[in-house]
Amino acid sequence: DIQMTQSPSSLSASVGDRVTITCRASQSITTYLNWYQQKPGKAPKLLISSASNLETGAPSRFSGSGSGTDFTLTISSLQPEDFATYYCQQSHSSPTFGPGTKVDFK
Amino acid sequence: QITLKESGPTLVKPTQTLTLTCSFSGFALGTVGMGVGWIRQPPGKALEWLALIYWDDDKRYSLSVKGRATISRDTSKDQVVLTMTNMDPMDTATYFCAHRRPGLGDSFDFWGQGTLVTVSS
Repeated sequence: DIQMTQSPSSLSASVGDRVTITCRASQSITTYLNWYQQKPGKAPKLLISSASNLETGAPSRFSGSGSGTDFTLTISSLQPEDFATYYCQQSHSSPTFGPGTKVDFK
Repeated sequence: QITLKESGPTLVKPTQTLTLTCSFSGFALGTVGMGVGWIRQPPGKALEWLALIYWDDDKRYSLSVKGRATISRDTSKDQVVLTMTNMDPMDTATYFCAHRRPGLGDSFDFWGQGTLVTVSS
């Protein structure tokens, strides 16, 4: 199985901050990388697919980049509704998720 | 509009078999590219993919549950069933089913609300 890691595991930020979350795969997954947002008690929501394709309806302040083994999710200006946990997931082979990054209020 | 909903027991005893049903609408599982996956999340922990069934009845399993889990489909009822044998307290989690987006790679674009399964005697 391909292993996924994320950093940081949690971060504290303020509204308006630029936030960057990184995800690393244990081997090259080209751009088979998806990002999900999950709020407490809710199902995950697909935000970005294929490393950089923003899902329909997702705010443009979210962006993704990377290829190979290293990927980044960026929130350009954090909004109150963005406080959540973010997971990366590789889809190069049988799916695996990263451990998550919790974004909370500073 | 694609919707999915999980159903099954909320409590199972250790060593028992768990059967969960995912009832879906808005797509036909037999259409090329379609799939339904099961993902679980222990309380306070990360997501873990378990199994996936494809439009052609191909099935994949996570190594963590391979041999214990079986995924199947009932196309006449628009349902996908996950069976897991020999349940253990470590299997306590919210279980989600999700729609696989057609195309290269397995991403999940629509999810059920999840169902919490507790394994305890």
